[in-house]
Amino acid sequence: SYELTQPPSVSVSPGQTASITCSGDKLGDKFASWYQQKPGQSPVLVIYEDTKRPSGIPERFSGSNSGNTATLTISGTQAVDEADYYCQAWDSSTACYVFGTGTKVTVL
Amino acid sequence: QVQLQESGPGLVEPSETLSLTCTVSGGSIIGYYWSWIRQPPGKGLEWIGYIYYSGSTNYNPSLKSRVTISVDTSKDQFSLELSSVTAADTAVYYCARDLHTGHYYFDYWGQGTLVTVSS
Repeated sequence: SYELTQPPSVSVSPGQTASITCSGDKLGDKFASWYQQKPGQSPVLVIYEDTKRPSGIPERFSGSNSGNTATLTISGTQAVDEADYYCQAWDSSTACYVFGTGTKVTVL
Repeated sequence: QVQLQESGPGLVEPSETLSLTCTVSGGSIIGYYWSWIRQPPGKGLEWIGYIYYSGSTNYNPSLKSRVTISVDTSKDQFSLELSSVTAADTAVYYCARDLHTGHYYFDYWGQGTLVTVSS
């Protein structure tokens, strides 16, 4: 089955840049999406189709996807960005959506 | 603004069938795919399956033998049944709108409902 691997945790200082990676075989050939989930809340879409931001998502969130790695970048990280982040892709070979293992972002 | 709301029992006995319904408001169920996703306590997200408004379905191979998703367009609702549940099926269950064809992401999510499998 297809797997997406993320680092368990990322720490960042306020105002600095946080980068979260998502690795999967030929992930660059698929569309990657990213979700933010705060404790006790539902996931919120922050990036879709590799690089696009939904309406209402701050410009400090950006995405890229190439080769085997998709990356979510949070520029000028704020305390409010502290959350779990999950990548997601569609694996056409198994006709199945796959989520990444999740990354906890801590703003120190 | 599309809103989704899950409903159903919060406690299910082992070996029984888990049944949940998702009600869509602020928009029509017609024209879209709709998915169920779950999250065990303290763990990550797992896609369960989707249904198109016309009734066609696709399920996660790991759960396929136990899952049935159905739709009622007259009520703007879709439902999940998961049979022969065990403690491993204890999770928060989310419904979500699925931008499937050519896009492959979930743009609206319900608030989630915790289902505990226990006797």
